Amino acid sequence: GEDVEQSLFLSVREGDSSVINCTYTDSSSTYLYWYKQEPGAGLQLLTYIFSNMDMKQDQRLTVLLNKKDKHLSLRIADTQTGDSAIYFCAERNTDKLIFGTGTRLQVFP
Amino acid sequence: DSGVTQTPKHLITATGQRVTLRCSPRSGDLSVYWYQQSLDQGLQFLIQYYNGEERAKGNILERFSAQQFPDLHSELNLSSLELGDSALYFCASSGELSNTGELFFGEGSRLTVL
Repeated sequence: GEDVEQSLFLSVREGDSSVINCTYTDSSSTYLYWYKQEPGAGLQLLTYIFSNMDMKQDQRLTVLLNKKDKHLSLRIADTQTGDSAIYFCAERNTDKLIFGTGTRLQVFP
Repeated sequence: DSGVTQTPKHLITATGQRVTLRCSPRSGDLSVYWYQQSLDQGLQFLIQYYNGEERAKGNILERFSAQQFPDLHSELNLSSLELGDSALYFCASSGELSNTGELFFGEGSRLTVL
């Protein structure tokens, strides 16, 4: 099937790290993505990882990929209130992207 | 600004009616995708067009149809609307030059069916 699963909610204190997890189904996915959706806006690409990589770091963002378990995670270091949003992971399936349900990240002071 | 334009931003209509949502992709992008975002279903892939031709179909109802025109803009037609069709409808586009397959999303059209 084409199910990408995420937990629905995550609440963290400002300055802490956030870890958002995702499991995907298609082991042949070449790219996996993290998108961010702020209130009232469309989705914006945060970062992506190629399937032959285990880790990718981009400033405060760290993506970990465990292909064996089909598990993807996004770590946000020093989480800020501006990081409050819905985060979607997605896997590439032929030309289209299959998205998870989204994780709503709430950052409190 | 992603470069993808969707109109209208908001639409309120009644059950049984028909609406058309419009999308202009980023300049030069040949692929257009439609997604539906509802509270209980997350982001569902509906359909993809590439250079005017349907390329992939997802969970699109028979009451819904789409097309991509020669100028590459796309329209999503929703007919016999039901309360459950209330959702955010996103259009996204992608280009040939992007080997990462990244999609660029519009801001969405929020449809409310009363």
